[in-house]
Amino acid sequence: DAGVTQSPTHLIKTRGQHVTLRCSPISGHKSVSWYQQVLGQGPQFIFQYYEKEERGRGNFPDRFSARQFPNYSSELNVNALLLGDSALYLCASSPRPGTGNQPQHFGDGTRLSIL
Amino acid sequence: DQQVKQNSPSLSVQEGRISILNCDYTNSMFDYFLWYKKYPAEGPTFLISISSIKDKNEDGRFTVFLNKSAKHLSLHIVPSQPGDSAVYFCAASAVGNYQLIWGAGTKLIIKP
Repeated sequence: DAGVTQSPTHLIKTRGQHVTLRCSPISGHKSVSWYQQVLGQGPQFIFQYYEKEERGRGNFPDRFSARQFPNYSSELNVNALLLGDSALYLCASSPRPGTGNQPQHFGDGTRLSIL
Repeated sequence: DQQVKQNSPSLSVQEGRISILNCDYTNSMFDYFLWYKKYPAEGPTFLISISSIKDKNEDGRFTVFLNKSAKHLSLHIVPSQPGDSAVYFCAASAVGNYQLIWGAGTKLIIKP
């Protein structure tokens, strides 16, 4: 079975632009979460979606938004890009929202660089 | 406010010996703790988890110990193998909140 797939793998944008990152969860997984990982730090939670509804939001500005589609894939959108948005963006899926008893499975991420 | 801390940025261990990775936390509402391994250019891979109602969980070469009174957990890898060289993250979730709170990671280097 395919794992979590993310596209694109790398992306270069300039300040002020907009970006859309995409994620396809493992087949049968209905929950998708997004994380931002800055170099030298652990991932920071951005959003969690389950059954197309937002179930959780981290401490990120309104420039960050996401949605989940009927096939459970997801998009993360970031507007008005700042230099500080340069990071690895990780998508994770699980059958349902959960953590220890239903660990999240991660994709390889999208490396976003802002010039 | 770092709720999950991994105070050792790196750890070097001889192949075949035990690797012990440590993690401290501050939030007593955490109900699950997880360890993930990450290779360069790949996403984190789940290793093992432990519920806050337990003090030990074992899976093959990996054992996680939880000391709630000290708010401390550790991951033991025995015996360490070259393929274990990676960055290890400790993560936690609170009751009713499914987001994971992560430590900064510890880079484990297994020496031949």
